[in-house]
Amino acid sequence: EAGVAQSPRYKIIEKRQSVAFWCNPISGHATLYWYQQILGQGPKLLIQFQNNGVVDDSQLPKDRFSAERLKGVDSTLKIQPAKLEDSAVYLCASSLNRGAVNYGYTFGSGTRLTVV
Amino acid sequence: GNSVTQMEGPVTLSEEAFLTINCTYTATGYPSLFWYVQYPGEGLQLLLKATKADDKGSNKGFEATYRKETTSFHLEKGSVQVSDSAVYFCALSSRNNDMRFGAGTRLTVKP
Repeated sequence: EAGVAQSPRYKIIEKRQSVAFWCNPISGHATLYWYQQILGQGPKLLIQFQNNGVVDDSQLPKDRFSAERLKGVDSTLKIQPAKLEDSAVYLCASSLNRGAVNYGYTFGSGTRLTVV
Repeated sequence: GNSVTQMEGPVTLSEEAFLTINCTYTATGYPSLFWYVQYPGEGLQLLLKATKADDKGSNKGFEATYRKETTSFHLEKGSVQVSDSAVYFCALSSRNNDMRFGAGTRLTVKP
């Protein structure tokens, strides 16, 4: 099966500019996640979607970050305006969950964002 | 809240050495436990998982056993190879299926 697709692969922007990342999950995976991975740290959950509804966005900095998942498939994560500390790899993942058991995520290759 | 603590790296081993990367967790209920691996320049890949106490996950010679009594999920491999050099992440998933990751342990295997 095709994996989780993300684009762009790399992005360099100046602070205060805006940027958007795109994710296409594995077909049939109802749950989609966006993670932020700062260099040298583990991934941190930003937002979780179940179909096109938000399940958890408690760690999303809502003053500058937004995300949507139209029609329960593709998703877009936006940062506006960007700050230097937003430099990180942004990972998208999807999962096929059965009942209360999580069988693991499939991650995309990520988008490496550098804010200068 | 739920969290994972894993041993700090980096870890440097010679080829064919025995590997242990410690991982302990804090969680309510009965989470699922995972190890992910991130090779240089690549995304995160699921290495192995265990969904209930005493389960043993295994893949590519790596093993980890879900120990509820010690809240641990240590990763082991009997004989590491240069190709195992990567960053390893321990993670847990709670009832709503979100995944919490440890900080990662960088492993370097030298020939």
